[in-house]
Amino acid sequence: DIQMTQSPSSLSASVGDRVTITCRASQSISDNLNWYQQKPGKAPNLLIHAASYLQSGAPSRFSGSGSGTEFTLTINSLQPEDFATYHCQQSHSHPPTFGQGTKVEIK
Amino acid sequence: QVLLQESGPGLVKPSETLSLTCTVSDSSVTSRYFWGWIRQPPGKGLEWIGSVSNSGTTYYNPSLSSRLTISFDASKNQFSLKLSSVTAADTAVFYCSGELGGTTVHYWGQGTLVTVSS
Repeated sequence: DIQMTQSPSSLSASVGDRVTITCRASQSISDNLNWYQQKPGKAPNLLIHAASYLQSGAPSRFSGSGSGTEFTLTINSLQPEDFATYHCQQSHSHPPTFGQGTKVEIK
Repeated sequence: QVLLQESGPGLVKPSETLSLTCTVSDSSVTSRYFWGWIRQPPGKGLEWIGSVSNSGTTYYNPSLSSRLTISFDASKNQFSLKLSSVTAADTAVFYCSGELGGTTVHYWGQGTLVTVSS
């Protein structure tokens, strides 16, 4: 299985901050990388697919980049509703695997 | 908007079989996606369990495959999960999912907590 590692595991930030989360794959996955947002007690929600394509309905302050083994999710101008846990997932090969999640908390 | 709804017991005894069903609200999309299950132990990350197409093609996580059956019932627009010989380590919130290519999750159920305990 392809191992996905996110960093950091958690971070504290303020409204208006720019936040960057990193996801690394144990082998090359091309651009087959998705990002999900999960709020407490809720199911995750697809934010970005294929590394950099914003899912319909997702705010434009979210962006993704990377290919191969290293990827980033950037949130420009953090909003109160963005405090959540973010998960990366490789869709390159079965079984699809997730990172351990990054919790974004209010500073 | 495609809605998914899980149903099944919230408590299962150790060594027994965990069974869940998910109903898909829109039959017109069932051929375009794989329908699967993802679990999340309390306070932990997400684990993909497996998925099935509406024609019966399955993908299983090798770590669970020996205990796992996922099937699709087109007449009811439902798919189901059976996980046998459960232990406390199987306690989790189980989400049903609609996956493009059997990987990228476009649709999620609300999740149902299943606790394995005697």
